[in-house]
Amino acid sequence: DTAVSQTPKYLVTQMGNDKSIKCEQNLGHDTMYWYKQDSKKFLKIMFSYNNKELIINETVPNRFSPKSPDKAHLNLHINSLELGDSAVYFCASSLNRLETEAFFGQGTRLTVV
Amino acid sequence: AQSVTQLGSHVSVSEGALVLLRCNYSSSVPPYLFWYVQYPNQGLQLLLKYTTGATLVKGINGFEAEFKKSETSFHLTKPSAHMSDAAEYFCALNSGGYQKVTFGTGTKLQVIP
Repeated sequence: DTAVSQTPKYLVTQMGNDKSIKCEQNLGHDTMYWYKQDSKKFLKIMFSYNNKELIINETVPNRFSPKSPDKAHLNLHINSLELGDSAVYFCASSLNRLETEAFFGQGTRLTVV
Repeated sequence: AQSVTQLGSHVSVSEGALVLLRCNYSSSVPPYLFWYVQYPNQGLQLLLKYTTGATLVKGINGFEAEFKKSETSFHLTKPSAHMSDAAEYFCALNSGGYQKVTFGTGTKLQVIP
């Protein structure tokens, strides 16, 4: 009965590969997000979707492409992985785009070798 | 532009001692302020939040924070530390709406038996 779940939890891959991280929330929330946490624990928002519509798109390389098939899912696809993409990626959701509280998933630790 | 500064990347306290984690912010509009806790290999969990109203906010696990506009601060306190409080704590700010949240760089709390 996990509220926000991400898969996989760990992902190790070689440079140049393409990978996807999946996220699902069962809270009935309208808004979902992807955050990146670097090795220094700095958290930065990447994308936000509200009812399948992109509302926040921070300065992120085009290699990163979010996809929201429905409001309960927000997947992150990364093309041509680079060493610098190694980080922990967190999915989160909130009731709506104006709601202040976000619920986070447990994170996906991506290691590019 | 909005920003969050957490003073001290590492804080150590003895079990039973007062916990004080400092957070200062910069915002051109009235801010919404949050404290999140991250346990090892876990996602972020909301401890407490300030939106409007009472400036002393109580959260989970005995934590509280006080919004001081004159000092642009939102420090987190707990009267008596428990071993289970050892974690990373993040102060966050939302002053742009649409969940465009800015996180501080985090403070790692160590509790010494």
